[in-house]
Amino acid sequence: LAKTTQPISMDSYEGQEVNITCSHNNIATNDYITWYQQFPSQGPRFIIQGYKTKVTNEVASLFIPADRKSSTLSLPRVSLSDTAVYYCLVQGRALTFGSGTRLQVQP
Amino acid sequence: DVKVTQSSRYLVKRTGEKVFLECVQDMDHENMFWYRQDPGLGLRLIYFSYDVKMKEKGDIPEGYSVSREKKERFSLILESASTNQTSMYLCASSPPGSGGAYNEQFFGPGTRLTVL
Repeated sequence: LAKTTQPISMDSYEGQEVNITCSHNNIATNDYITWYQQFPSQGPRFIIQGYKTKVTNEVASLFIPADRKSSTLSLPRVSLSDTAVYYCLVQGRALTFGSGTRLQVQP
Repeated sequence: DVKVTQSSRYLVKRTGEKVFLECVQDMDHENMFWYRQDPGLGLRLIYFSYDVKMKEKGDIPEGYSVSREKKERFSLILESASTNQTSMYLCASSPPGSGGAYNEQFFGPGTRLTVL
């Protein structure tokens, strides 16, 4: 199984770009990398998914290097409402969530 | 709007009781999942199902069983609840992905179970 490791917490200020890195050394050939956001008292919500290189949508970018042993979620110009826990998930035949990164955005 | 509902937000049970947690999705998704979430441990997969009457063990199936008699409903069963099963339980569903992967999962709001 691909074990994932993320920083426990990060702090930022409004308007800054935030990058959260997840390492997944044992990722398998068919595994995808997905990131979820979770607010208190809610289930996680899908942010972005990728296989390799770079993926961008309206809320985030996902950077995956050629060896795919890590991935970086990039949140441009964060706001207070981005304060949440962010989970990295390696998914293929197995589903392995990271333990989550608690992002605190200050005014 | 996509919807996954769970039967209870909060549940308190006693040690040894049989506990049923119900999850219903209205998106006609093939895949359904049960996770538990504990502080510092993130989400851990208990069981998942990729079709009616089909189930597969996740990372921590011990002490749990599941039932999927209808496509929209996936039940998690604690045969004899124990205090170490006190946790937040999250249900999710997703359509099938390509190459064995899974598409975006849609999560329910969770059930916070306390076993006394």
